[in-house]
Amino acid sequence: QLQLQESGPGLVKPSETLSLTCTVSGGSISSDSYYWGWIRQPPGKRLEWIGSVYYSGSAYYNPSLKSRVSMSVDTSKNEFSLKLSSVTAADTAVYYCARLVAAAGLGLGRGDHWGQGTLVTVSS
Amino acid sequence: DTHMTQSPPTLSASVGDRVTVACRASQTIGTYLAWYQQKPGRAPKLLIYKASALEGGVPSRFSGSGSGTDFTLTISSLQPDDFGTYYCQQYNSHPLTFGGGTKVEIK
Repeated sequence: QLQLQESGPGLVKPSETLSLTCTVSGGSISSDSYYWGWIRQPPGKRLEWIGSVYYSGSAYYNPSLKSRVSMSVDTSKNEFSLKLSSVTAADTAVYYCARLVAAAGLGLGRGDHWGQGTLVTVSS
Repeated sequence: DTHMTQSPPTLSASVGDRVTVACRASQTIGTYLAWYQQKPGRAPKLLIYKASALEGGVPSRFSGSGSGTDFTLTISSLQPDDFGTYYCQQYNSHPLTFGGGTKVEIK
């Protein structure tokens, strides 16, 4: 059974960089059928796609966050990571990692497996 | 960006009722639409993909329809475990976008 687990600090100071890692178990991250994505949900708001990364390292980002986002993959550890720089209170959210079944185009797909989510609060 | 609009924002129904949730895309997305159920404090769970395909393990009382810009999620006979917020998501073009959600409450 595929499982995804987010890890990283739950509290980040304004202007610093948010860093999260998603560890995948029960399956290989090195599959050409999937992208690996980050999605966030601010309190009481809708889900927002941050970006997707392929096992090769190719990444696709939401234009609204592109200048501050970086995603990477470590196939040897079966994990992928998110970095979001220059955070503000608006970046406070539950962050989910998910497996996206590839469809329609590069970086696009439906999320068939999700991590439990991790709350990241931006505050001094 | 393709904006996704869901209606109604909330609905309250009784066990056994037929429930319908609508989702409209601001531009055509073919059938690249997914539906999710999210319960409080939990991750979204995929129910429907490609507008009408049922994800494995999802009860057959859930169904989806539509294409282009207008889509519908139907629960044929509402069960107590079906409470939660339902989201649609388009994956036809960048960026991936989600609807605002429909909260389903059991009377």
